[in-house]
Amino acid sequence: EVVLTQSPGTLSLSPGERATLSCRAGQSVTGSYLAWYQQKPGQAPSLLISGASRRATGIPDRFSGSGSGTDFTLTISRLEPEDFAVYYCQQYGSSPITFGQGTRLEIK
Amino acid sequence: EVQLVQSGAEVKKPGATVKISCKVSGYTFTDYSMHWVRQAPGKGLEWLGLIDPEDDETIYADNFQGRVTITADTSTDTVYMELNTLRSEDTAVYYCATTDSYIRLRYFDLWGRGTLVTVSS
Repeated sequence: EVVLTQSPGTLSLSPGERATLSCRAGQSVTGSYLAWYQQKPGQAPSLLISGASRRATGIPDRFSGSGSGTDFTLTISRLEPEDFAVYYCQQYGSSPITFGQGTRLEIK
Repeated sequence: EVQLVQSGAEVKKPGATVKISCKVSGYTFTDYSMHWVRQAPGKGLEWLGLIDPEDDETIYADNFQGRVTITADTSTDTVYMELNTLRSEDTAVYYCATTDSYIRLRYFDLWGRGTLVTVSS
């Protein structure tokens, strides 16, 4: 199974700042089939990025994804108050589908 | 409107079996695979498995092999997830999730609201 490790565990930033979240795979992710989700308390996760860099419908362009192989990054260029949440990466290139343990983005 | 409507919360004793449902509306039921993902309180996301309602083929995560059964009822456009031999660590919110793709292993842009399963003596 492809183990995904996200860092940092918690990221404390202020609105307007840039956030960089990392997702590292234990082995190469097939086809760069890597997705990012945002989850707010009491809600289901919401898709942000698929295929490592393709924004989902309706996602603002301040969210961007990059990477390939084993190293992937989610960047939020200028944080808005509604961006403070937990973020997960997921690989779907091979079975079993796996998720990272999450990065909590909190207001500094 | 595309929707996944899940059944209500369940409370079960250790050793029992739970079966929860996910009713599909707004698209052709057999077009896309349905997945189940769970989240223990304060924890991350864990994939349990999928079913392709077109041919009833299933793929399960190794961690749940032998304990989980996912089925699909094409007469009611409903997918079921049954988990047996419950233990306290199975206490979690269980989500059904899918996307509009014929590829089985995929990301998820459509989620149910989740079903809380509590395992307690």
